[in-house]
Amino acid sequence: GAVVSQHPSWVICKSGTSVKIECRSLDFQATTMFWYRQFPKQSLMLMATSNEGSKATYEQGVEKDKFLINHASLTLSTLTVTSAHPEDSSFYICSANEQNQETQYFGPGTRLLVL
Amino acid sequence: LAKTTQPISMDSYEGQEVNITCSHNNIATNDYITWYQQFPSQGPRFIIQGYKTKVTNEVASLFIPADRKSSTLSLPRVSLSDTAVYYCLVGDSISGSARQLTFGSGTQLTVLP
Repeated sequence: GAVVSQHPSWVICKSGTSVKIECRSLDFQATTMFWYRQFPKQSLMLMATSNEGSKATYEQGVEKDKFLINHASLTLSTLTVTSAHPEDSSFYICSANEQNQETQYFGPGTRLLVL
Repeated sequence: LAKTTQPISMDSYEGQEVNITCSHNNIATNDYITWYQQFPSQGPRFIIQGYKTKVTNEVASLFIPADRKSSTLSLPRVSLSDTAVYYCLVGDSISGSARQLTFGSGTQLTVLP
């Protein structure tokens, strides 16, 4: 199947700093990627839909100015957590579909810990 | 968005067949049904996908009745390494090319020796 990578796999930062997470589709092009957040013992929650060349669509309750999404190419989407706080500590996962394919593939996730 | 309902947890023993059923009463005509497996601190891994009737691959089978309001993931002869959370998802289409998925609570499968 198609491969989606994320970088970094984990990050620890001080409160108030910004953190950028990259999501790449390695062997296919994706006009749309999705960003999820998962807290311990909970399910994945969709945060936003990242669209190549246009603005991201955010789910209700997700602050677009805090979670900046950039989808500059067909293989890369980035999520920047601005002015991170301890409550932003979570597991962030991205996913993508090959164009005109039904199956969605997920990245390995990025563990963020804000001290 | 089509919602799904699954059992919160299931226990099984090594070598047994495990069937996990998912309800999706509001599934739309164009929606596919997809099952994922997730281990702790990893992204979900694709298991199987189907639209109707039965689909089988090297790791699982997916049974979908004619009304498509439910589906059953069948794992033959599970092993300890199959202990994971299993998610049933129904896709909502966005412009026909990418599908927004809504994750339910998932089923924690625990395989015992």
